[in-house]
Amino acid sequence: EAGVAQSPRYKIIEKRQSVAFWCNPISGHATLYWYQQILGQGPKLLIQFQNNGVVDDSQLPKDRFSAERLKGVDSTLKIQPAKLEDSAVYLCASSLFSSRSYEQYFGPGTRLTVT
Amino acid sequence: TQLLEQSPQFLSIQEGENLTVYCNSSSVFSSLQWYRQEPGEGPVLLVTVVTGGEVKKLKRLTFQFGDARKDSSLHITAAQPGDTGLYLCAGVIQGAQKLVFGQGTRLTINP
Repeated sequence: EAGVAQSPRYKIIEKRQSVAFWCNPISGHATLYWYQQILGQGPKLLIQFQNNGVVDDSQLPKDRFSAERLKGVDSTLKIQPAKLEDSAVYLCASSLFSSRSYEQYFGPGTRLTVT
Repeated sequence: TQLLEQSPQFLSIQEGENLTVYCNSSSVFSSLQWYRQEPGEGPVLLVTVVTGGEVKKLKRLTFQFGDARKDSSLHITAAQPGDTGLYLCAGVIQGAQKLVFGQGTRLTINP
């Protein structure tokens, strides 16, 4: 079974530029998550999708971050414009809708550096 | 404020020693998970515990869920360099529908 795919793996941009990350979840996983992990900390949930609908985006900085999941499969996360404090690893994860424990399978992440 | 507090945040020990990592909260969790994350990779699920007092073993790793379902521990016996990584606990707060993560314990096992 193929795992969660993410691209790019690394990205360096200047502040005020835009950036987009892509995620392809495990086949059949209806729930998709985007996390931000700052160095030395645990992952922080940015947004959770159930199929192509948003379940939770309470911690997404909506003035600069946006995410979509068209057709309930792939997802993109965009930052526009980027700030220095956005430097982090952005993790995508997916889980089965039926999992009451919300066990998640993570991709390798995208390491973003904003200079 | 962290809903899940992990301790210690950093631990460096010699190969062959035993260690315990703790995950504590004032909230009750319907389930709790432990993940291990290696540099440049995403977290990998190790175990899920759902019943108060539950103990699960994974080779040299022993996971315990507190009786009140507010805390958990991870015990490693005879640690090996391959155990090095960031250990994360994550829980589903009772009545909620999402996972919250602790800040992690960075473990280094020296040969």
